[in-house]
Amino acid sequence: GNSVTQMEGPVTLSEEAFLTINCTYTATGYPSLFWYVQYPGEGLQLLLKATKADDKGSNKGFEATYRKETTSFHLEKGSVQVSDSAVYFCALSDRGRDDKIIFGKGTRLHILP
Amino acid sequence: KAGVTQTPRYLIKTRGQQVTLSCSPISGHRSVSWYQQTPGQGLQFLFEYFSETQRNKGNFPGRFSGRQFSNSRSEMNVSTLELGDSALYLCASSSTNRGPNEKLFFGSGTQLSVL
Repeated sequence: GNSVTQMEGPVTLSEEAFLTINCTYTATGYPSLFWYVQYPGEGLQLLLKATKADDKGSNKGFEATYRKETTSFHLEKGSVQVSDSAVYFCALSDRGRDDKIIFGKGTRLHILP
Repeated sequence: KAGVTQTPRYLIKTRGQQVTLSCSPISGHRSVSWYQQTPGQGLQFLFEYFSETQRNKGNFPGRFSGRQFSNSRSEMNVSTLELGDSALYLCASSSTNRGPNEKLFFGSGTQLSVL
């Protein structure tokens, strides 16, 4: 079945550092890929998405490129802020096959001022 | 437009009891999904309802059940609570258009503690 694997956290960085959170997936079809973010005390909200190979999703300075050859969708940001501290979830949707949206376990990010 | 509303926000129960959680989706959204979030397992899919019908189900025991009403509001029920059921239960709604661009809108969750 489909699955999503993302790097274990927590990840702790200083403000203005470069961020990478790794995400790889397993899917038999052609899924859409997402990053969701969960701020403290809140539900998840969509950060960015990509629906086909080589697409780049971007939002709020975050970027991720859909790499079919490496089955990856790594999240990057050039300069993080304290306000980026949250839990980040990589997710996969393959409605034509698995019929449900699958999430990774989440990566907690701490940004120090 | 109001977001996804989940009630109650916090719940404390004892082992063996049962609990009912409620979710009101965004107006116009007919799909409601439920997820269990725990520190060790992350987000695990429970079930999805669409137009009062269960469309998909995750790998949870039969103690976990749900339903959806004609106004798209959904409830999930957990019977015979166990300590391991302590978790944040998240509800998400989406529009009728399923497909590659489908976006889930999440509520803030119900934090269930089983003592």
